[in-house]
Amino acid sequence: EDKVVQSPLSLVVHEGDTVTLNCSYEVTNFRSLLWYKQEKKAPTFLFMLTSSGIEKKSGRLSSILDKKELFSILNITATQTGDSAIYLCAVEATSGTYKYIFGTGTRLKVLA
Amino acid sequence: GAVVSQHPSWVICKSGTSVKIECRSLDFQATTMFWYRQFPKQSLMLMATSNEGSKATYEQGVEKDKFLINHASLTLSTLTVTSAHPEDSSFYICSASFRPWARTSVSDTQYFGPGTRLTVL
Repeated sequence: EDKVVQSPLSLVVHEGDTVTLNCSYEVTNFRSLLWYKQEKKAPTFLFMLTSSGIEKKSGRLSSILDKKELFSILNITATQTGDSAIYLCAVEATSGTYKYIFGTGTRLKVLA
Repeated sequence: GAVVSQHPSWVICKSGTSVKIECRSLDFQATTMFWYRQFPKQSLMLMATSNEGSKATYEQGVEKDKFLINHASLTLSTLTVTSAHPEDSSFYICSASFRPWARTSVSDTQYFGPGTRLTVL
């Protein structure tokens, strides 16, 4: 059964801290892994990863994929209160058809 | 727990026909369900929010007469794309939440379905 597991479930840090969010997966016919930030209703896209070992970076956020060990991490450095959100990991797979398997997210709260 | 399924996984239809997509919460009661449209490498675009037993709330720019949403029970919501056209071809994803949607600063946990790929010829 395809699954995506995120850890930790919840995290509280102070401004300026660095956080690492984890996403591990067991999926048949992996195609890509996506990270989203969800503050209100709709998740907003952060990164799409398809190749192992290539870091993607956007400002204070970065992410990397390990296709051998089947996981990805999302790093946020110098956290700010505006980083408080749920961070979702999803894996796109093709098993006859396309599908997405979402993790349940990591809830991050950054305190001032 | 908290599994959401969608049916069908992939549908191909002719232009002008209507297509119904189902979203089911398999092991919990989903008071609120969300329908999204996903474009490649882009965010999920929220189309509408539906609370069980009441009319769906559509996001700006989404035609309610074209995308009919019915949330008749606590475990089932349907999205019907009426008179589908090739530009409606996309990936449609639903999600479900335990609690009624409230405008809080941090969203409640949503459990996502695997998506339905719609191709309109």
